[in-house]
Amino acid sequence: IQLTQSPSSLSASVGDRVTITCRASQGISSYLAWYQQNPGKAPKLLIYGASTLQSGVPPRFSGSGSGTDFTLTINSLQPEDFATYYCQQVNSYPPTFGGGTKVEIK
Amino acid sequence: EVQLVESGGGLVQPGRSLRLACAASGFTFDEYAMHWVRQVPGKGLEWVSGISWSSGSKGYADSVKGRFTISRDNAKKSLYLQMNSLRAEDTALYYCAKDNQYRTLGSYGNNGMDVWGPGATVTVSS
Repeated sequence: IQLTQSPSSLSASVGDRVTITCRASQGISSYLAWYQQNPGKAPKLLIYGASTLQSGVPPRFSGSGSGTDFTLTINSLQPEDFATYYCQQVNSYPPTFGGGTKVEIK
Repeated sequence: EVQLVESGGGLVQPGRSLRLACAASGFTFDEYAMHWVRQVPGKGLEWVSGISWSSGSKGYADSVKGRFTISRDNAKKSLYLQMNSLRAEDTALYYCAKDNQYRTLGSYGNNGMDVWGPGATVTVSS
C-alpha cells in the first residue's frame, strides 16, 4: 500500500493552524499512525488508530479520516512543532510510511 | 524509564555481514512485537522487519528478504538484526522500535510504534 502525503513541505508561523494530508492507495480502515521527527532525533508517535492521541501528546494535535483519506491537524503551531511528519499504515503487510511533510518556520 | 538502545552499527564492505542488537528496558519486553526501521540520511522512513512477542511470526520488507534475519531473546530483553550480503543501498540509520499493541499475533500491530531507540548507523562501502 502506497501512502502519499501532501504537501511535501510547508511554511507556517507560530500560532497557525496546519493540516497535513495522507492518502492511501487502497482502503486501510482506521489503521493509520502519525509520527513527528525532529532533526537528529528518532520519530515520536503522535496518533494511532487515525484519531487516538498517544499518551503525553499535546491536544493541539488531532487526526481524522478512514478508508483512504486522512489528515493530521496542528492547532496553534508551537516552536517545537517545526519538524517532519510521517504517516504510517498498519493495516496491511508490510507496514509502510508516507514520504513525509516538513513543517518549516515562515 | 522505557528505553531502547541499539548497538553494532559500523562501516562494512559490500557483501559482508553485520549484526545489530537492541537492548530494551523499562517495559515487559516479552509482551510486545518489535521492529527495525531504517532511514537514509535526509530521506524517509522504511520499515525493515518485525517480530511478534513470541517469535512465532516474522516479517520483512521485500528489499531485505532473504538477506536479513530478525530474532529476539526475551530472557535478555534484546532484539537482533542479522544483515548478510550487505549492499550500498542498505546504508542507513537503523532504529529499533517497540510495537504499541499488547501481544499481537503477527509481526506488527495496528497501533503504530510507541518507543524508538536513537538508532545505529550502518555504512556499506568499500
